[in-house]
Order: sequence, then C-alpha cells, then structure tokens
Amino acid sequence: GQNIDQPTEMTATEGAIVQINCTYQTSGFNGLFWYQQHAGEAPTFLSYNVLDGLEEKGRFSSFLSRSKGYSYLLLKELQMKDSASYLCAVLDSNYQLIWGAGTKLIIKP
Amino acid sequence: IAGITQAPTSQILAAGRRMTLRCTQDMRHNAMYWYRQDLGLGLRLIHYSNTAGTTGKGEVPDGYSVSRANTDDFPLTLASAVPSQTSVYFCASSEVGAVGTDTQYFGPGTRLTVL
Repeated sequence: GQNIDQPTEMTATEGAIVQINCTYQTSGFNGLFWYQQHAGEAPTFLSYNVLDGLEEKGRFSSFLSRSKGYSYLLLKELQMKDSASYLCAVLDSNYQLIWGAGTKLIIKP
Repeated sequence: IAGITQAPTSQILAAGRRMTLRCTQDMRHNAMYWYRQDLGLGLRLIHYSNTAGTTGKGEVPDGYSVSRANTDDFPLTLASAVPSQTSVYFCASSEVGAVGTDTQYFGPGTRLTVL
C-alpha cells in the first residue's frame, strides 16, 4: 500500500526554527509537495521537490532524500501566522497525489 | 473570477437527498479533482478529470459521481446522501502536462453535513 507519515502535531516558539518531517512509501515517485493549510481554509502550495537536496524559498526550505523516502520542511524565524497544518503529498507513478494527514503546527509567543 | 470557486460554502442536508456541489475554475487548467477532508485523515481523492470529457475514479468514489462537460466546470453529485458523507469537500485544478510539476490549486471548500 501507499503511505505518507508525518507527525500529528508540533509546537514551537515565535522566532525559532522548526523542522517537520515526512516519510513516504509509494508506488513510484514523481515529486513531493508541501502545502500549508490554515484552519478553515484551502491548502496552498509551498514547495515542490523532485531531486535530492534542499530547496530554499525565503523563510521556508524543503529537503528531499529519495533513497530514504524522506523529506522535511524547515521553517525559520517563526511568526504567529505560521500556525497552520502542513501537508506532505507525493506524486506517484500514475501522477496521482498521495496525501499525508498533515502536521498541525502551533506557534507560541 | 480569479482561481477556483465552489458553491455552496456550506450545506446541511437530510439523508437520502440528492446534492450537487459546484466547482468552476478560470485558469484553463486541464485537470480537476474532488477531495474530501476528514479530521485526522489526509485529503482523499474522490474523482478526477484529466481533461474535458473524461473522468476517473479516485480512492473513495462510492456514492459520488462527476461530469466534465467543459474545461471550467466540474460538479460533484451525491445521488442519495448518507451521514458518512459529512465532510469538507475541496475542488482543485492543475495544469497537467507541465513536465515535472503538477501543482494543484484549491477552491475554498464546501462544508457538508448530512443528518
């Protein structure tokens, strides 16, 4: 079966750094996405990785290791507005997105 | 219109009733998707359409049907609603064919309660 694992909930402090991990087992791999979803809102695209390594985009970075079936999303200089759920999703061999259940990130002052 | 719109925003429905959730996009994307999102579970694909005139079944298609008569619209119909279909429904679209990426853009969602 196909499986995406990520922690259910994490807590971090404003101004700090947090790393949200995602491990996956899928039938094929055509890329990994991170989406942000604020409570009661739609998911919005954050990043896409298809090659191993780190992709940096402002305060957010995403890392991929295909051999380990592993990715992480790194958020720096945390702000209160970063409180949200972060969804990991893998594009499988059929170009279907397989979604993790999401990690709820709570930012404390 | 900019992006994807969904209607209604929310709905309370009696079990056994028929309901159509509407979705319209103005980005001329080829592919469209319907997901449901339930607490503690990831987004689950109900149906999808890679291009106008074609549809496919996702992970949880039972009890739902879709049609794709044109590029912009992708309605989802519940023929006879049941309480287990209580969920938040998201419509999404993507520009299939863009090699290497298939970023999906989501509508605001419809919160459906079946009593």
